Amino acid sequence: SQQGEEDPQALSIQEGENATMNCSYKTSINNLQWYRQNSGRGLVHLILIRSNEREKHSGRLRVTLDTSKKSSSLLITASRAADTASYFCATVLSTDSWGKLQFGAGTQVVVTP
Amino acid sequence: DAMVIQNPRYQVTQFGKPVTLSCSQTLNHNVMYWYQQKSSQAPKLLFHYYDKDFNNEADTPDNFQSRRPNTSFCFLDIRSPGLGDAAMYLCATSRVGTANTEAFFGQGTRLTVV
Repeated sequence: SQQGEEDPQALSIQEGENATMNCSYKTSINNLQWYRQNSGRGLVHLILIRSNEREKHSGRLRVTLDTSKKSSSLLITASRAADTASYFCATVLSTDSWGKLQFGAGTQVVVTP
Repeated sequence: DAMVIQNPRYQVTQFGKPVTLSCSQTLNHNVMYWYQQKSSQAPKLLFHYYDKDFNNEADTPDNFQSRRPNTSFCFLDIRSPGLGDAAMYLCATSRVGTANTEAFFGQGTRLTVV
């Protein structure tokens, strides 16, 4: 069964606005990662947050993790048209030693100029 | 600099005709993965290698096989492709023995079955 669930499924915003997407998961994790996928391309790693961390920043990205609620959020501030992509959360289970990623269904983000 | 390279980017094969997808990496990572991603769905892990140790996911169909002749290369063989196997196939790598590390993905191979 799918470990991660994301919402919203789709998000349409204008340039300069912030975009927030959420991810929930079911079982204990080692870490949670966010990836971006442009249409028809591979996935690009954005940020990794460990289970003992609560918040991380990378440029215009902010990720939070609440292990008590088994949820994470990704915030993209001051969005740009180039941010148009699908965003996936992926978890590595606490029982896993090989970094196997279990992906959510993704959020499709469209940023209009 | 390309780090994980998948060939070809697009592959068309006939129903039932064996097909091989390839992946190479310049990162010297010990772990390599193959994921299947159907349209508008999440990537799904098919199997992974730790060095030459092959690990199959429980629900990966027998129709899918893999080979890893050396650290740099990994192949996905689909013995008898069906229409339901049309998908994007993603190869990824990560460092050995460390779960707290990112995966590096190739650009994917989009497989069409006709």
